[in-house]
Amino acid sequence: AQSVTQLDSHVSVSEGTPVLLRCNYSSSYSPSLFWYVQHPNKGLQLLLKYTSAATLVKGINGFEAEFKKSETSFHLTKPSAHMSDAAEYFCVVTPVSGTYKYIFGTGTRLKVLA
Amino acid sequence: DTAVSQTPKYLVTQMGNDKSIKCEQNLGHDTMYWYKQDSKKFLKIMFSYNNKELIINETVPNRFSPKSPDKAHLNLHINSLELGDSAVYFCASSQTWKGTDTQYFGPGTRLTVL
Repeated sequence: AQSVTQLDSHVSVSEGTPVLLRCNYSSSYSPSLFWYVQHPNKGLQLLLKYTSAATLVKGINGFEAEFKKSETSFHLTKPSAHMSDAAEYFCVVTPVSGTYKYIFGTGTRLKVLA
Repeated sequence: DTAVSQTPKYLVTQMGNDKSIKCEQNLGHDTMYWYKQDSKKFLKIMFSYNNKELIINETVPNRFSPKSPDKAHLNLHINSLELGDSAVYFCASSQTWKGTDTQYFGPGTRLTVL
């Protein structure tokens, strides 16, 4: 069975400092992994995805994530936070075979302090 | 604009009523989904249709009935609404039903049952 754990429900950073949002997954199959962002009262927007190609994935708005199979992790990072990054972030796992459904993490709320 | 759209954006109704939420995508995708996001922001899949055929049906009360008149539309009808149905409902679509495919989300419909 697949599952995903977002280790922090809330993260606060100062503007201009690095962002780290942690995600660990469990999957019986080789997974696909995604990060989505949800701004207040908005839908979900894809930041980036991993589908067994390069382990370091670059996404939109300066975000990137590294797939580490040995650690079963897919942490999201950004070198310098911007006020507009304040939002809810969701890590998603889905196997590349079998039941093709998204399994969402519980979300991490990112707060960016001026 | 190419997108996933939902109507209505907000829906306030009384317990026991029947209501529908409509979803349309003009991305040419074959697969569509309904998700429920609860008050704690947790997202869970409810249904998925591929080429108008139901492929995922999670443990959702049978008061919820999805209908897909064509590949571009997936509507959600809810009978005998209950307080616990209050949530944000998201529609999504993807090119196929493979786990590697990105899902594109609509803006959500906030349902409030009084």
